Amino acid sequence: QVQLVESGGGLVKPGGSLRLSCAASGFTFSDYYMSWIRQAPGKGLEWVSYISTSSSYTNYADSVKGRFTISRDDAKNSLYLQMNSLRAEDTAVYYCARRGELSPDFWGQGTLVTVSS
Amino acid sequence: DVVMTQSPLFLPVTLGQPASISCRSSQSLVYSDGNTYLNWFQQRPGQSPRRLIYKVSNRDSGVPDRFSGSGSGTGFTLKISRVEAEDVGVYYCMQGTHWPTFGQGTRLEIK
Repeated sequence: QVQLVESGGGLVKPGGSLRLSCAASGFTFSDYYMSWIRQAPGKGLEWVSYISTSSSYTNYADSVKGRFTISRDDAKNSLYLQMNSLRAEDTAVYYCARRGELSPDFWGQGTLVTVSS
Repeated sequence: DVVMTQSPLFLPVTLGQPASISCRSSQSLVYSDGNTYLNWFQQRPGQSPRRLIYKVSNRDSGVPDRFSGSGSGTGFTLKISRVEAEDVGVYYCMQGTHWPTFGQGTRLEIK
């Protein structure tokens, strides 16, 4: 069955960096676009970024453009999110999700990122 | 960005009774391929979101048939024919036609 397991979250100071990882299994990872979606505590869902197959295309929410970088390693069935210049408003649970029919059809359990001094 | 507006934001329902959630988009969600990429998600307390419906009316595998989706253009509806206790949670609509955006969420609770 499809499994997505995020890791790498934690507490970081404003201006700091963090790298999230997502380990995928149960499907042919290289065949799918992948995404990062976040949810601030007690709030709704916000699409952060997505990456195409073969890493040929990436896109970002305006709120993270220039600070976050999405990447993938198909040999390792892994998705990454490099987050730099972190702000308090980036505090959220970050979900890794597989994209099917232009929407997230499977989600991981999420990893919490807290940006605070 | 396309704004997705859900109503109501809070939905108290009696067990066994129907429920309906409306979602309106600020732009047409018809994609260049003719499909409409409007989706519905359920997030139970403490869990990750789960997709229920894709492309307006297609149920995902394992989703009970009491859930149904309908609509076109800019107006869409999620209906639950008979609410069960396990349906408690927050429901989100989401469009994938343009840069993906979600509705604010509708919290369903049992009266």
